[in-house]
Amino acid sequence: DAGVTQSPTHLIKTRGQQVTLRCSPKSGHDTVSWYQQALGQGPQFIFQYYEEEERQRGNFPDRFSGHQFPNYSSELNVNALLLGDSALYLCASSLEQGVTGELFFGEGSRLTVL
Amino acid sequence: AQTVTQSQPEMSVQEAETVTLSCTYDTSESDYYLFWYKQPPSRQMILVIRQEAYKQQNATENRFSVNFQKAAKSFSLKISDSQLGDAAMYFCAYEKYNNNDMRFGAGTRLTVKP
Repeated sequence: DAGVTQSPTHLIKTRGQQVTLRCSPKSGHDTVSWYQQALGQGPQFIFQYYEEEERQRGNFPDRFSGHQFPNYSSELNVNALLLGDSALYLCASSLEQGVTGELFFGEGSRLTVL
Repeated sequence: AQTVTQSQPEMSVQEAETVTLSCTYDTSESDYYLFWYKQPPSRQMILVIRQEAYKQQNATENRFSVNFQKAAKSFSLKISDSQLGDAAMYFCAYEKYNNNDMRFGAGTRLTVKP
């Protein structure tokens, strides 16, 4: 049973560039959430996708956008990168009708903005 | 808004001994989940234990147990017989019932001394 997979694992960008991060949810899961984890801090909720629509959003600017595909996989896009966007980006999947509330996490994509 | 506070940035424990990690949260909801996640250096967040707010009985998973005080909005994690493999960042998390928007504390770094 494949867990949550994310790509790429590491990437380096320069200020002003754009980046796309990808996530495949755990088999059978239909909901994908994205988190930003700055160094030494807890994950911060960016947004959640369900049925190919953004359902909830945290306190992040519009430079952060996403997409969910019919196969439930998801992308996170960040435009006009800033130095402060350097972080570990975590994808988490869950089941909309799940009863445990648990999120299953990938290993993350480490983004460095120079 | 719901917030999660972990007041211990770092904790240390001797192998085979017991350690307790603290967590408090703020919410006006009556139905919610609480979680402790472990994040080792490999980065992947792993669920340690979960608690449903409507259950008065404290959750237990092998060497891990919680002390859930709903009125005080406190949710501490006790690790018994600490092992070297328990060394990691531990995050306390809150999730409103039927809402996969999970909110995390800033984390506690646990060191286990041999």
